[in-house]
Amino acid sequence: AQSVTQLDSHVSVSEGTPVLLRCNYSSSYSPSLFWYVQHPNKGLQLLLKYTSAATLVKGINGFEAEFKKSETSFHLTKPSAHMSDAAEYFCACSGGYQKVTFGTGTKLQVIP
Amino acid sequence: GAVVSQHPSRVICKSGTSVKIECRSLDFQATTMFWYRQFPKQSLMLMATSNEGSKATYEQGVEKDKFLINHASLTLSTLTVTSAHPEDSSFYICSARPAGAQETQYFGPGTRLLVL
Repeated sequence: AQSVTQLDSHVSVSEGTPVLLRCNYSSSYSPSLFWYVQHPNKGLQLLLKYTSAATLVKGINGFEAEFKKSETSFHLTKPSAHMSDAAEYFCACSGGYQKVTFGTGTKLQVIP
Repeated sequence: GAVVSQHPSRVICKSGTSVKIECRSLDFQATTMFWYRQFPKQSLMLMATSNEGSKATYEQGVEKDKFLINHASLTLSTLTVTSAHPEDSSFYICSARPAGAQETQYFGPGTRLLVL
């Protein structure tokens, strides 16, 4: 069994300040972890994924995430928020041929 | 590369009618396609997994006779919502997994269904 918890349903940051979106997972297998971004009425776009290689994963648009097995976390960060980053972000987990499980999402608001 | 399209992007239909949504992988072959449903302000819920040439596997609680899935080729899967009701109104998203890629999914842009 696996599950994904996104602790914050809504995060608000000022433009130019750092972004931190939290994700914790639970998996019986060595998981693959993903972050997706969804803009309004759009499908999901993959930001980055961890698949048991380097624990610090760099993605598109300046985002990165660090896999911490001891904390079962895969938090998403960006040093400086841009207005275009405002969207919904989903953390997801898969492992052991199981289906992908999504978290409930975090809505990021960027204040000018 | 790795583009997945959905058609239509938005559809409005009357209660009792059927609606077909297409999901196409444009530049790769997808042995597996997934259909998700997303209610407002909620996460994606997997409805079913379809493998080319075989019957779809439905998640618990999803009516297979209501949500008909056909994965007729390596680039096309269709979801038909039969006898649609207003509670079927939702955002339907498909994803496609390239042949040989265990973990990778590419998502379509979604289809907004409104049943009146």
